[in-house]
Amino acid sequence: ETGVTQTPRHLVMGMTNKKSLKCEQHLGHNAMYWYKQSAKKPLELMFVYNFKEQTENNSVPSRFSPECPNSSHLFLHLHTLQPEDSALYLCASSQVTSGTGADQPQHFGDGTRLSIL
Amino acid sequence: QKEVEQDPGPLSVPEGAIVSLNCTYSNSAFQYFMWYRQYSRKGPELLMYTYSSGNKEDGRFTAQVDKSSKYISLFIRDSQPSDSATYLCAMSSSASKIIFGSGTRLSIRP
Repeated sequence: ETGVTQTPRHLVMGMTNKKSLKCEQHLGHNAMYWYKQSAKKPLELMFVYNFKEQTENNSVPSRFSPECPNSSHLFLHLHTLQPEDSALYLCASSQVTSGTGADQPQHFGDGTRLSIL
Repeated sequence: QKEVEQDPGPLSVPEGAIVSLNCTYSNSAFQYFMWYRQYSRKGPELLMYTYSSGNKEDGRFTAQVDKSSKYISLFIRDSQPSDSATYLCAMSSSASKIIFGSGTRLSIRP
């Protein structure tokens, strides 16, 4: 496996379900990110983890709960989602060398297409 | 005003044409500039990464940064149908997170 791998690729869930998205990076990076991508809108940064520590939560509702057990794995736990949460959820990783790490490009997985019934 | 502005398109050009994709931005502190390509049902793929002003060339792709005008461009020479995708610009400074444009949809007609 190379790059950033996300599972599942597609997920359909009801508003009362609980599910988890998984991301694994094989690039040796020390930072991981969750983004939401909706049609015709810029990527929305949700969470940032540097060295397994959450360093940013971009005012994301508590029905989204991230978990980063180590620098290679990232999860997004979902519960009682709303129809407006239907979107493509992208995971990314990068190598932070200093500060915010924004001087290094991020590498993305292919995303999980989430549909809320 | 958005920090990064990008025309959503769609942009349709014939095969072999030169394509010009552009973004403008408002934050003069941005120093790092990226272009990503995103195919349908795939994640964004890093195409070009440049620091500060100037040009960078990689095969058929040229990235250009004009910091005085707060304007960046991606040129694609000899465009191919396989170049049909959404192109995202992105930029950052050492003190800020990466900000993405909303993407331009490009279609290359055979």
